[in-house]
Amino acid sequence: QVQLVESGGGVVQPGGSLRLSCTTSGFTFSSYGMHWVRQAPGKGLEWVAYIHFDGTNRYADSVKGRFTVSRDNSKNTVYLQMSSLRAEDTAVYYCTKDHCDSSSCDGVQHWGQGTLVTVS
Amino acid sequence: VMTQSPDSLAVSLGERATIDCKSSQTVLYSSNNKNYLAWYQQKPGQPPKLLIYWASTRKSGVPDRFSGSGSGTDFTLTISSLQAEDVAVYYCQQYYRTPYTFGQGTKLEIK
Repeated sequence: QVQLVESGGGVVQPGGSLRLSCTTSGFTFSSYGMHWVRQAPGKGLEWVAYIHFDGTNRYADSVKGRFTVSRDNSKNTVYLQMSSLRAEDTAVYYCTKDHCDSSSCDGVQHWGQGTLVTVS
Repeated sequence: VMTQSPDSLAVSLGERATIDCKSSQTVLYSSNNKNYLAWYQQKPGQPPKLLIYWASTRKSGVPDRFSGSGSGTDFTLTISSLQAEDVAVYYCQQYYRTPYTFGQGTKLEIK
């Protein structure tokens, strides 16, 4: 079955950097786009970034220029490089598998358990 | 923009709970007649759990007391008979185009 496991979270000082990883299994990783979604403590869900299976990407305005999403298809892993971190970036970060592959869409998005990033 | 109503809701056990979600743009893709709208349930300390996709398709394993309806810009999640384990925050999400935006969430409690 589909599994997504995030790692790399922790405590970082304002202005610092951190790289999150999301290791996947149970599906053909190279055929799917992947998203990062975050949730600040006690708040709602905020979409952060997306990387298409062809490598193109998009970012929320709140992180544009500071965060970079990338993927390594040989490792079935997607990354989120975060720099110039701010207190407001404190959140649980989830990776999610898009519902479309290179040929069709099934409507089902899968989520990892999340990793906590604290900027303080 | 996805807007849910109400922000919070208290319902008696066994009663019906209804949550609305309105999108600022249509999420109905005309070429396949599918609404790109999902509903999630989130309990404290857990990731969101997918309940409904394509606006009205229940994910395998989700109790049939959960149902989704609506099309275009207006959608509803209904819990037909509230159980204690349904206490959670519920989110709608459009996945018509990136960014895949979420509603602000509706907190469901027992009255």
